[in-house]
Amino acid sequence: KNQVEQSPQSLIILEGKNCTLQCNYTVSPFSNLRWYKQDTGRGPVSLTIMTFSENTKSNGRYTATLDADTKQSSLHITASQLSDSASYICVVSPTSGTYKYIFGTGTRLKVLA
Amino acid sequence: NAGVTQTPKFQVLKTGQSMTLQCAQDMNHEYMSWYRQDPGMGLRLIHYSVGAGITDQGEVPNGYNVSRSTTEDFPLRLLSAAPSQTSVYFCASSYARLANTGELFFGEGSRLTVL
Repeated sequence: KNQVEQSPQSLIILEGKNCTLQCNYTVSPFSNLRWYKQDTGRGPVSLTIMTFSENTKSNGRYTATLDADTKQSSLHITASQLSDSASYICVVSPTSGTYKYIFGTGTRLKVLA
Repeated sequence: NAGVTQTPKFQVLKTGQSMTLQCAQDMNHEYMSWYRQDPGMGLRLIHYSVGAGITDQGEVPNGYNVSRSTTEDFPLRLLSAAPSQTSVYFCASSYARLANTGELFFGEGSRLTVL
């Protein structure tokens, strides 16, 4: 069964610190993997996209990596800010299944001043 | 552009009542979908559409109906609300020609409570 698992479930860090969120998936083959940010009470917004052949993609202070051999992706946040407090969701698009997206359960990040 | 607009933002229903969640997008996206988000679970697909007049079921379609008469609108109908349908509902759209490689654009969500 195609699955996407994220860890940790929740994380608390101090402002200015770095952190790394993990995404393990069993979806294979897949066309792309995205990370979304979901602020409390809002809809998710795409942060990064990587195809199966890419290793890393950056978007400002957010850097996503992908290891297709171990089926792992990570999202690294540098110099965290209070506005980074949100849930981060890993989403994998399987090659088969046309319009289906496989969502992880998310990591809830809290950045403290 | 407004993007994806959902109404209402909040709704309380009694068991057995029916209602419609509205979703509209102004990006000319062919693909539109409805998800529900429950604590501790990933977003789950209820129904989706790849164009006007075309709809299909997702993984949790029971108790919900959809229709797509225009490119812009994709309403979700709860036929007879049950407490198990208490959830946050998200409408999302994307360019269908990219199949599931396209970025999903989400609405702000509709929080539904069924008593």
